[in-house]
Formats: sequence, C-alpha cells, structure tokens
Amino acid sequence: ETGVTQTPRHLVMGMTNKKSLKCEQHLGHNAMYWYKQSAKKPLELMFVYNFKEQTENNSVPSRFSPECPNSSHLFLHLHTLQPEDSALYLCASSHAGQGEVGETQYFGPGTRLLVL
Amino acid sequence: AQKITQTQPGMFVQEKEAVTLDCTYDTSDQSYGLFWYKQPSSGEMIFLIYQGSYDEQNATEGRYSLNFQKARKSANLVISASQLGDSAMYFCAMRERDTGRRALTFGSGTRLQVQP
Repeated sequence: ETGVTQTPRHLVMGMTNKKSLKCEQHLGHNAMYWYKQSAKKPLELMFVYNFKEQTENNSVPSRFSPECPNSSHLFLHLHTLQPEDSALYLCASSHAGQGEVGETQYFGPGTRLLVL
Repeated sequence: AQKITQTQPGMFVQEKEAVTLDCTYDTSDQSYGLFWYKQPSSGEMIFLIYQGSYDEQNATEGRYSLNFQKARKSANLVISASQLGDSAMYFCAMRERDTGRRALTFGSGTRLQVQP
C-alpha cells in the first residue's frame, strides 16, 4: 500500500448504529487530519493530530470521536449520527515542520457516508 | 469574509486548449502558502501545485502553473494543453503562518469539464 488509504470506501448506517472509519498513511508523516466534505460546501476541517496528540478540534459534535493510536493510523468513531452528517469524509497526512506554510497535505480517497 | 474565493462554479474548455481557474484570497498575514488540489469523481484530493507568499517566481509543475499576483491577492491556476482526464473539481486552499493552524482553508471549488 502506498500513500493514504481509507476504509471503508462507502458506508450506509442508521442513526442508532456505531461504526468506525479508518485511515492509514504510508508516507512517514507525523500529522493526520479529518475533513468533512458536504454537498455544495467547502471542505471543513474536523480534527488535527500531531505526533498522536490532538491539536485542533473544529467544534465537532461529540457524536464524532477521533482516535490516533500512532502516527500512521487515524480513526473516526461514529455514533448516533444524523442524516445531515451524510458526506464524504477525507483523511489527510503531512510532515509537520515548525510552522512551515508550505507543508503539503496528502489525502486519501475518502469514505462516502450515508446516514439513514 | 471568505478566506478563499473561487468565483467560477463551472468551466468548459476544449481539449488541447489552455484554461485559467480563478482564486482570490484574503489574509493580513505576511507569510502564507497557497495550494491547488484536483478532485476527480472518485473523491480523492490530488495535490497539484504550491506557491509561497515569498516566492518571487510563479510555481510550475508540468502542465500546471500558478499565476500569482500578490498585490491583487490572486493565485490563479493555469492548465495548458487540457486533456480529457483533467475533468474534475479544482480547489484552491491556503495556510497562514500567524494562525498557527496546520489545517488548510479551502475554497468552494470549480468544476472543469474538458470537451473533445
């Protein structure tokens, strides 16, 4: 596997279900991100992890729970979601430097989530 | 005010012609970075090109070039010799140094369709 992988690619869940999204990066990076892309809206940052520590949380509802066990893996645990949470969830990674504006993020293929 | 503005929701271009996708940004930071990503229908965000605010030369990567006009706060993407595979959504994004945030701020995107 190369780059950033995400599983599953597609997910349909009911509002009472619990599911998890998985992201793995094979680039040796130390920062990982979750973004949400809803229809007709710009990408929205959800969470940022740097060296396994959460450094940014963009006021995300608690029904989304991230987990970063190591620098290569990132999870997003989902429970009691709402239909408006249906979206494309994108994971990204980067090599975190010291405030470098040119730090490039590399994205996975995303998980298309539909909440019924 | 929006940080990143992409005023063209959709663009058409004939195969083998050049096309310019517009991006304007808003920042008071002196140090920032501008990125362009391509998103095919499969969903993955593909990094195309980067321009730093202190870079004196316009960035180029193969058929992609960035027309950076700092005083006008614009960072337009130019695709030369368009190919059918260039049909996709294109997003402009920015990172500002002074915010201390790792995450990128994205525009709403431009859908490019290349016609044979």
